[in-house]
Amino acid sequence: DAGITQSPRHKVTETGTPVTLRCHQTENHRYMYWYRQDPGHGLRLIHYSYGVKDTDKGEVSDGYSVSRSKTEDFLLTLESATSSQTSVYFCAISESNPGLADYNEQFFGPGTRLTVL
Amino acid sequence: EDKVVQSPLSLVVHEGDTVTLNCSYEVTNFRSLLWYKQEKKAPTFLFMLTSSGIEKKSGRLSSILDKKELSSILNITATQTGDSAIYLCAVHRGTSGTYKYIFGTGTRLKVLA
Repeated sequence: DAGITQSPRHKVTETGTPVTLRCHQTENHRYMYWYRQDPGHGLRLIHYSYGVKDTDKGEVSDGYSVSRSKTEDFLLTLESATSSQTSVYFCAISESNPGLADYNEQFFGPGTRLTVL
Repeated sequence: EDKVVQSPLSLVVHEGDTVTLNCSYEVTNFRSLLWYKQEKKAPTFLFMLTSSGIEKKSGRLSSILDKKELSSILNITATQTGDSAIYLCAVHRGTSGTYKYIFGTGTRLKVLA
């Protein structure tokens, strides 16, 4: 299994509070991703990073920010949590070396279940 | 807008049956198509299909990519209760610096004993 950990694994918080989720990898992969998974919507990309301090928005980025100060860590922050952000959050990594077409596999962390009351 | 559509949304079969799951896509700068199995945890990788590898097989599972029809199928033969899961299709697309994975909503498979 790829070395990806997420913390915390479970969190219950109240509306309006800030929340930070952490993803840590030991694979030295360049790309890191944050997804949320909700019934009926599958996995939706929130933000992704293609290198240290290089990030971009996904399809559901409103209300979320990210930071990547080191290759191994990718943080997802909910500045002011809302009930609509109750979800399961997955971090993923990939190498995506353009010179190596087969290096497109994406590996997932164990997930964080976030409940916003 | 990039999209990936899976069908059927859900499926109930009996052990021993053969199932075919479908995935169609419309994306720019296609790189590869991936299949994942998700039980009560994180998705686990099954197959990756590219222009140079359009057919993959592993045990009772096999998958084919049809680049002309922009689709893929995942076949599971002699199904077992342990195959019960959500099967996700994802398309890897993009150019340097903008790689993304677009996921379908998944097919929920339930195999009855």
